[in-house]
Amino acid sequence: TQLLEQSPQFLSIQEGENLTVYCNSSSVFSSLQWYRQEPGEGPVLLVTVVTGGEVKKLKRLTFQFGDARKDSSLHITAAQPGDTGLYLCAGAHGGSQGNLIFGKGTKLSVKP
Amino acid sequence: EAQVTQNPRYLITVTGKKLTVTCSQNMNHEYMSWYRQDPGLGLRQIYYSMNVEVTDKGDVPEGYKVSRKEKRNFPLILESPSPNQTSLYFCASSSTGTEKNIQYFGAGTRLSVL
Repeated sequence: TQLLEQSPQFLSIQEGENLTVYCNSSSVFSSLQWYRQEPGEGPVLLVTVVTGGEVKKLKRLTFQFGDARKDSSLHITAAQPGDTGLYLCAGAHGGSQGNLIFGKGTKLSVKP
Repeated sequence: EAQVTQNPRYLITVTGKKLTVTCSQNMNHEYMSWYRQDPGLGLRQIYYSMNVEVTDKGDVPEGYKVSRKEKRNFPLILESPSPNQTSLYFCASSSTGTEKNIQYFGAGTRLSVL
């Protein structure tokens, strides 16, 4: 069974702090996605990374795909209360349409 | 507005009473999928469909049925619900083109089986 391990599981920080969330696997993925889910809603895609070593930035969020395409990280700079939510990583294998493997998520709480 | 619509959003039922959760998407996506989300277990895929009349089991298909008679609809059927099917359910869809694997999720259906 392919697994995506996310860490930490829970994270509670003060507004303005920086944080990093990790997503690790022993499997190689053709692409990896990060989603954010707010209470009462479905996950919403933040970014897709495809190339080993790729770095993508989305305002204060920086996403990195590991060189071997087995792991990824999400770094948030100067976290805001609006960043609060459940962050999910999901890995896809080439040729397998839509069969994403999801991590269990990191629940982030940013306090004002 | 592009969206995936699930109904109902909340459902309380009793063991053994058949129920259907509907899912509809307006993006002409070929691929549709059902997930359940449970604390500590994350999102697990129940069934998916690559196109009309094509369905396949995901990781946790036991106790569920699906059908895909039309491209836009992908209902999830629980013939005889049991308490261990109490969960938060999500429907998702994606295209098969260059943006395959980017899944658009519905808002979820919270099911309680008593």
